[in-house]
Amino acid sequence: KNEVEQSPQNLTAQEGEFITINCSYSVGISALHWLQQHPGGGIVSLFMLSSGKKKHGRLIATINIQEKHSSLHITASHPRDSAVYICAVPGGFGNEKLTFGTGTRLTIIP
Amino acid sequence: GAVVSQHPSRVICKSGTSVKIECRSLDFQATTMFWYRQFPKQSLMLMATSNEGSKATYEQGVEKDKFLINHASLTLSTLTVTSAHPEDSSFYICSAPNRFSESYNEQFFGPGTRLTVL
Repeated sequence: KNEVEQSPQNLTAQEGEFITINCSYSVGISALHWLQQHPGGGIVSLFMLSSGKKKHGRLIATINIQEKHSSLHITASHPRDSAVYICAVPGGFGNEKLTFGTGTRLTIIP
Repeated sequence: GAVVSQHPSRVICKSGTSVKIECRSLDFQATTMFWYRQFPKQSLMLMATSNEGSKATYEQGVEKDKFLINHASLTLSTLTVTSAHPEDSSFYICSAPNRFSESYNEQFFGPGTRLTVL
Protein backbone atom coordinates (compact mmCIF):
# COMPACT_ATOMS: atom_id res chain seq x y z
CA LYS A 1 0.00 0.00 0.00
CA ASN A 2 1.19 3.47 -0.82
CA GLU A 3 1.74 5.67 2.21
CA VAL A 4 0.70 9.26 1.59
CA GLU A 5 1.68 12.26 3.68
CA GLN A 6 0.27 15.70 3.20
CA SER A 7 1.34 18.95 4.76
CA PRO A 8 0.29 21.18 6.27
CA GLN A 9 -2.88 19.74 7.80
CA ASN A 10 -4.38 23.18 8.26
CA LEU A 11 -3.49 26.42 6.57
CA THR A 12 -4.96 29.86 7.09
CA ALA A 13 -3.86 32.70 4.86
CA GLN A 14 -4.88 36.18 3.81
CA GLU A 15 -6.57 36.75 0.50
CA GLY A 16 -4.00 37.21 -2.23
CA GLU A 17 -1.31 35.06 -0.66
CA PHE A 18 0.53 32.34 -2.56
CA ILE A 19 -0.39 28.93 -1.19
CA THR A 20 1.63 25.71 -1.29
CA ILE A 21 0.40 22.28 -0.22
CA ASN A 22 2.75 19.33 -0.27
CA CYS A 23 2.25 15.61 -0.80
CA SER A 24 4.76 12.79 -0.47
CA TYR A 25 4.21 9.11 -1.15
CA SER A 26 6.18 5.95 -0.66
CA VAL A 27 5.67 3.75 -3.74
CA GLY A 28 6.47 4.73 -7.32
CA ILE A 29 3.39 5.58 -9.35
CA SER A 30 2.37 6.53 -12.86
CA ALA A 31 0.24 9.52 -11.87
CA LEU A 32 -1.07 11.43 -8.87
CA HIS A 33 -4.42 13.16 -8.31
CA TRP A 34 -5.17 16.44 -6.60
CA LEU A 35 -8.74 16.78 -5.39
CA GLN A 36 -10.77 19.54 -3.81
CA GLN A 37 -13.52 18.91 -1.28
CA HIS A 38 -15.87 21.69 -0.26
CA PRO A 39 -17.73 21.79 3.08
CA GLY A 40 -20.76 20.07 1.54
CA GLY A 41 -18.53 17.09 0.85
CA GLY A 42 -18.51 16.86 -2.94
CA ILE A 43 -15.19 15.98 -4.52
CA VAL A 44 -13.83 17.81 -7.55
CA SER A 45 -10.85 16.47 -9.42
CA LEU A 46 -8.36 19.29 -9.98
CA PHE A 47 -5.43 17.56 -11.63
CA MET A 48 -4.06 14.22 -12.58
CA LEU A 49 -0.39 14.48 -13.39
CA SER A 50 2.35 12.07 -14.17
CA SER A 51 5.31 14.41 -14.70
CA GLY A 52 6.35 18.02 -14.66
CA LYS A 53 3.78 20.68 -14.14
CA LYS A 54 0.14 21.42 -14.96
CA LYS A 55 -1.67 24.73 -14.70
CA HIS A 56 -5.36 25.49 -14.59
CA GLY A 57 -6.26 29.08 -13.91
CA ARG A 58 -4.68 30.05 -10.58
CA LEU A 59 -3.88 26.47 -9.68
CA ILE A 60 -0.53 24.87 -10.47
CA ALA A 61 0.45 21.31 -9.68
CA THR A 62 3.96 19.92 -9.92
CA ILE A 63 5.31 16.44 -9.44
CA ASN A 64 8.77 14.97 -9.05
CA ILE A 65 8.47 11.28 -9.73
CA GLN A 66 12.04 10.52 -8.61
CA GLU A 67 11.55 12.31 -5.30
CA LYS A 68 7.99 10.92 -4.90
CA HIS A 69 6.70 14.38 -4.14
CA SER A 70 4.05 16.70 -5.49
CA SER A 71 2.98 20.23 -4.69
CA LEU A 72 -0.22 22.14 -5.31
CA HIS A 73 0.09 25.90 -5.56
CA ILE A 74 -2.62 28.52 -5.57
CA THR A 75 -1.70 31.99 -6.78
CA ALA A 76 -3.62 35.10 -5.72
CA SER A 77 -5.70 33.08 -3.28
CA HIS A 78 -9.35 33.98 -2.76
CA PRO A 79 -11.87 33.11 -0.03
CA ARG A 80 -13.67 30.83 -2.47
CA ASP A 81 -10.53 28.68 -2.55
CA SER A 82 -11.29 27.71 1.05
CA ALA A 83 -11.74 23.94 1.00
CA VAL A 84 -9.96 20.72 1.82
CA TYR A 85 -7.32 19.73 -0.71
CA ILE A 86 -6.48 16.07 -0.98
CA CYS A 87 -3.79 14.23 -2.87
CA ALA A 88 -4.47 10.70 -3.95
CA VAL A 89 -2.09 8.13 -5.35
CA PRO A 90 -2.61 4.69 -6.82
CA GLY A 91 -1.20 1.63 -5.13
CA GLY A 92 1.61 1.43 -7.63
CA PHE A 93 2.16 0.97 -11.32
CA GLY A 94 -0.86 -0.80 -12.73
CA ASN A 95 -2.77 -0.58 -9.45
CA GLU A 96 -5.65 1.87 -9.80
CA LYS A 97 -6.82 1.71 -6.21
CA LEU A 98 -6.30 5.12 -4.70
CA THR A 99 -4.88 5.93 -1.30
CA PHE A 100 -5.78 9.39 -0.07
CA GLY A 101 -3.83 11.86 1.98
CA THR A 102 -5.46 13.20 5.11
CA GLY A 103 -6.12 16.48 3.36
CA THR A 104 -5.14 20.08 3.93
CA ARG A 105 -7.86 22.35 5.24
CA LEU A 106 -7.29 25.72 3.62
CA THR A 107 -9.00 28.86 4.90
CA ILE A 108 -8.52 32.13 3.04
CA ILE A 109 -9.46 35.21 5.02
CA PRO A 110 -10.73 38.24 3.12
CA GLY B 1 -14.71 16.56 -18.76
CA ALA B 2 -16.30 13.25 -17.89
CA VAL B 3 -19.18 13.33 -15.42
CA VAL B 4 -20.14 10.90 -12.70
CA SER B 5 -23.42 11.37 -10.84
CA GLN B 6 -24.70 9.88 -7.61
CA HIS B 7 -28.20 9.51 -6.33
CA PRO B 8 -29.45 10.34 -3.81
CA SER B 9 -27.25 13.14 -2.56
CA ARG B 10 -28.58 12.79 0.95
CA VAL B 11 -30.60 10.11 2.70
CA ILE B 12 -31.87 9.68 6.22
CA CYS B 13 -33.21 6.30 7.23
CA LYS B 14 -34.19 4.31 10.28
CA SER B 15 -31.94 1.70 11.77
CA GLY B 16 -32.53 -1.71 10.20
CA THR B 17 -33.60 -0.49 6.80
CA SER B 18 -31.66 -0.89 3.57
CA VAL B 19 -30.49 2.00 1.45
CA LYS B 20 -29.47 1.93 -2.20
CA ILE B 21 -27.01 4.44 -3.65
CA GLU B 22 -26.53 4.77 -7.39
CA CYS B 23 -23.39 5.82 -9.22
CA ARG B 24 -23.66 6.64 -12.92
CA SER B 25 -21.11 7.57 -15.52
CA LEU B 26 -23.03 10.00 -17.69
CA ASP B 27 -20.89 10.37 -20.77
CA PHE B 28 -18.54 7.41 -20.78
CA GLN B 29 -18.60 3.69 -20.15
CA ALA B 30 -17.08 2.49 -16.92
CA THR B 31 -16.16 -1.16 -16.63
CA THR B 32 -14.78 -0.41 -13.19
CA MET B 33 -16.08 1.85 -10.47
CA PHE B 34 -14.76 2.39 -6.99
CA TRP B 35 -16.72 2.99 -3.81
CA TYR B 36 -15.29 4.99 -0.92
CA ARG B 37 -16.46 5.95 2.51
CA GLN B 38 -15.51 9.01 4.49
CA PHE B 39 -16.20 9.43 8.19
CA PRO B 40 -16.20 12.94 9.65
CA LYS B 41 -12.75 14.54 9.79
CA GLN B 42 -11.20 11.48 8.16
CA SER B 43 -9.76 10.58 4.79
CA LEU B 44 -11.62 8.77 2.10
CA MET B 45 -11.15 5.03 2.37
CA LEU B 46 -11.64 2.59 -0.46
CA MET B 47 -14.41 0.11 0.32
CA ALA B 48 -14.68 -1.94 -2.83
CA THR B 49 -14.06 -2.19 -6.54
CA SER B 50 -17.14 -2.69 -8.67
CA ASN B 51 -16.61 -4.65 -11.88
CA GLU B 52 -19.15 -4.71 -14.67
CA GLY B 53 -20.38 -8.24 -15.24
CA SER B 54 -18.55 -9.81 -12.33
CA LYS B 55 -18.42 -9.77 -8.57
CA ALA B 56 -17.13 -6.78 -6.68
CA THR B 57 -13.91 -7.07 -4.75
CA TYR B 58 -13.92 -5.73 -1.21
CA GLU B 59 -11.15 -4.21 0.85
CA GLN B 60 -10.11 -5.87 4.06
CA GLY B 61 -12.55 -5.19 6.86
CA VAL B 62 -15.50 -4.33 4.61
CA GLU B 63 -18.40 -6.76 4.97
CA LYS B 64 -19.56 -7.86 1.55
CA ASP B 65 -22.90 -9.07 2.86
CA LYS B 66 -23.60 -5.70 4.38
CA PHE B 67 -22.48 -3.57 1.47
CA LEU B 68 -23.93 -5.16 -1.64
CA ILE B 69 -22.52 -3.91 -4.92
CA ASN B 70 -24.09 -4.50 -8.30
CA HIS B 71 -22.51 -3.26 -11.53
CA ALA B 72 -25.21 -4.31 -13.96
CA SER B 73 -24.32 -2.06 -16.87
CA LEU B 74 -21.39 -0.10 -18.21
CA THR B 75 -22.77 3.13 -16.78
CA LEU B 76 -24.30 2.12 -13.45
CA SER B 77 -23.06 0.68 -10.19
CA THR B 78 -25.20 0.48 -7.07
CA LEU B 79 -24.18 0.18 -3.44
CA THR B 80 -26.84 -1.15 -1.07
CA VAL B 81 -26.25 -0.73 2.63
CA THR B 82 -28.29 -3.53 4.15
CA SER B 83 -29.77 -3.38 7.64
CA ALA B 84 -28.19 -0.01 8.19
CA HIS B 85 -27.09 1.01 11.67
CA PRO B 86 -26.05 4.39 13.04
CA GLU B 87 -22.37 3.44 12.68
CA ASP B 88 -22.94 3.20 8.91
CA SER B 89 -23.69 6.92 8.82
CA SER B 90 -21.04 8.33 6.55
CA PHE B 91 -20.34 10.05 3.26
CA TYR B 92 -20.23 7.56 0.40
CA ILE B 93 -18.46 8.49 -2.83
CA CYS B 94 -17.90 6.65 -6.07
CA SER B 95 -15.34 7.17 -8.79
CA ALA B 96 -14.81 5.75 -12.24
CA PRO B 97 -11.78 5.76 -14.51
CA ASN B 98 -12.48 6.74 -18.09
CA ARG B 99 -10.49 4.26 -20.16
CA PHE B 100 -11.13 6.26 -23.31
CA SER B 101 -9.89 9.58 -22.05
CA GLU B 102 -6.52 11.04 -22.94
CA SER B 103 -5.39 10.33 -19.41
CA TYR B 104 -6.15 6.63 -19.16
CA ASN B 105 -5.95 6.42 -15.40
CA GLU B 106 -7.81 9.60 -14.60
CA GLN B 107 -10.65 8.92 -12.22
CA PHE B 108 -13.81 10.99 -12.12
CA PHE B 109 -15.61 11.35 -8.83
CA GLY B 110 -19.28 11.46 -8.02
CA PRO B 111 -20.54 14.25 -5.76
CA GLY B 112 -21.16 11.86 -2.88
CA THR B 113 -24.12 10.63 -0.83
CA ARG B 114 -24.50 11.54 2.82
CA LEU B 115 -26.16 8.72 4.71
CA THR B 116 -27.59 9.31 8.17
CA VAL B 117 -29.00 6.33 10.02
CA LEU B 118 -31.20 7.18 12.99
